[in-house]
Amino acid sequence: QKEVEQDPGPLSVPEGAIVSLNCTYSNSAFQYFMWYRQYSRKGPELLMYTYSSGNKEDGRFTAQVDKSSKYISLFIRDSQPSDSATYLCAMSAQAGTALIFGKGTTLSVSS
Amino acid sequence: DTEVTQTPKHLVMGMTNKKSLKCEQHMGHRAMYWYKQKAKKPPELMFVYSYEKLSINESVPSRFSPECPNSSLLNLHLHALQPEDSALYLCASSHPGQGLTEAFFGQGTRLTVV
Repeated sequence: QKEVEQDPGPLSVPEGAIVSLNCTYSNSAFQYFMWYRQYSRKGPELLMYTYSSGNKEDGRFTAQVDKSSKYISLFIRDSQPSDSATYLCAMSAQAGTALIFGKGTTLSVSS
Repeated sequence: DTEVTQTPKHLVMGMTNKKSLKCEQHMGHRAMYWYKQKAKKPPELMFVYSYEKLSINESVPSRFSPECPNSSLLNLHLHALQPEDSALYLCASSHPGQGLTEAFFGQGTRLTVV
């Protein structure tokens, strides 16, 4: 079993839809959880960062962490064509140590 | 300023060449990372520097040689690379201590080995 599992998609939705992206993990030591957005041929851009369990909201984006289930989610409300990208979840056990990435989910939002 | 700057953006090198990739950040981060990313794959960790000391080397071949000359700069020296080393090389930085640990990435250097 890989440490971090993420469905690679692709996921196609119409503009305005609510998108749900998810990752599961096996290492109970993970405490730091991040979501990155990566456009083609660009570096990953940090979208959301969460420490331990709970929810965090930033504009159209909401990140949720459920450590008891080892499950994290990213919700995108009112999706836009500009949201079309690959979304990578990443997590680590300690600050400043290696990030473990999921495979990434490719999202396409059509207008 | 949450910017990590990488140069060059693109690099084509022959298998006998020696080149260096550079990374710079001014966020006061004391952890810096090199990742390698192949097409349609997630980033793979290569090296971690913490307080300018190499703390993680993920069994990377010796043809890749990292260097952290100061707390703002990170280099990756390349020598005798193979075509399969062609990839996007990403630099990232974060705080190594407790608390804030968002890792910010640069835009990467797209390396082609011919």
